Amino acid sequence: KNEVEQSPQNLTAQEGEFITINCSYSVGISALHWLQQHPGGGIVSLFMLSSGKKKHGRLIATINIQEKHSSLHITASHPRDSAVYICAVTLQTSGSRLTFGEGTQLTVNP
Amino acid sequence: DSGVTQTPKHLITATGQRVTLRCSPRSGDLSVYWYQQSLDQGLQFLIQYYNGEERAKGNILERFSAQQFPDLHSELNLSSLELGDSALYFCASSPTGTTIRNEQFFGPGTRLTVL
Repeated sequence: KNEVEQSPQNLTAQEGEFITINCSYSVGISALHWLQQHPGGGIVSLFMLSSGKKKHGRLIATINIQEKHSSLHITASHPRDSAVYICAVTLQTSGSRLTFGEGTQLTVNP
Repeated sequence: DSGVTQTPKHLITATGQRVTLRCSPRSGDLSVYWYQQSLDQGLQFLIQYYNGEERAKGNILERFSAQQFPDLHSELNLSSLELGDSALYFCASSPTGTTIRNEQFFGPGTRLTVL
């Protein structure tokens, strides 16, 4: 079993819809990261969380440490949001390296 | 633009060959991480350097090696290449290697194709 699990694997939405991507982890972490990978391959860091909630524009990330769960929400989705969203964690036992989930492929149709 | 640069962008080579991938971290960042993204394994941590010293090692094959130079740029050397080494190789940098909550900034990646 992977230490980081994401759901769903694939998600298709219509423009304007509210989107939620979930991430669960099974071990103790120091921080959780949400990354975005565009079709060209580049990876952008969206959020780094160790507690609570963060918001940036239409993106909101939350984490519940007790439940070992995080969600990434996109409000008023747009076709340009189409990308792979990756949840990654820094494990308490592994320093600052990232351990990744398998990613969620999001497609937003106009 | 993350401020992390990687060269080359694409590399096509043959089995058995050796290649060198280069990474320049963001100005002021002391830590460099190398990650491999393949179709079957996803994203995996390979190795981390901090201020010239190896800090952590992950699933890095013995045929692979890396170093970080005094100017903080890093090179990943891949030798005796096999078809399965075809992947996207990312480097990322962060300000320190000792603070575990540091955000990491990714370079654009090098796409390696082994024929």
